[in-house]
Amino acid sequence: EAGVTQFPSHSVIEKGQTVTLRCDPISGHDNLYWYRRVMGKEIKFLLHFVKESKQDESGMPNNRFLAERTGGTYSTLKVQPAELEDSGVYFCASSQAYYGYTFGSGTRLTVV
Amino acid sequence: DQQVKQNSPSLSVQEGRISILNCDYTNSMFDYFLWYKKYPAEGPTFLISISSIKDKNEDGRFTVFLNKSAKHLSLHIVPSQPGDSAVYFCAASGRAAGNKLTFGGGTRVLVKP
Repeated sequence: EAGVTQFPSHSVIEKGQTVTLRCDPISGHDNLYWYRRVMGKEIKFLLHFVKESKQDESGMPNNRFLAERTGGTYSTLKVQPAELEDSGVYFCASSQAYYGYTFGSGTRLTVV
Repeated sequence: DQQVKQNSPSLSVQEGRISILNCDYTNSMFDYFLWYKKYPAEGPTFLISISSIKDKNEDGRFTVFLNKSAKHLSLHIVPSQPGDSAVYFCAASGRAAGNKLTFGGGTRVLVKP
């Protein structure tokens, strides 16, 4: 089966611009998660979708971040406007079972 | 407030020897623990897990030990192989957290041939 796909793999944008990251989960996985790793530190939870509903968005840093999951399939994470501290690697994961996460390869975001 | 800590940022070991990675946690509500392995430019991949009702879980060359009273877990890799060179993340979760994972900062392992 195809894995979790994230696009783009890299993005370099200027401070104040908007960037949209996309995640295509494994087909049939109702659970979709966003995590990010900043400055080579720990990987931190951002939010969790169950189908199209936000189950837990406690990790979203502020209202510049907007996540959507259209029709319970792919998800997008928009950062608007981007700030320097938003730089990092954004990982998407999906699961069918409780802990059976499969992570994508990540999007490396650099804000300059 | 880092609830999961991996105090060794790096570890170097000779091929064939044992690699021991350590992880400490502070949240007593955590009841499920996982180890992930990450290669450069790839996402974390699941390695092994342990429930809080156990103190040991083994899968091939990988064994995870859990000491609940000390809030400490460790991952043993034996024998270590050059392909094991990667960053290893400890992660924890609990029923109250749904299936949200809290990760440690990672330990970079280098296995020398």
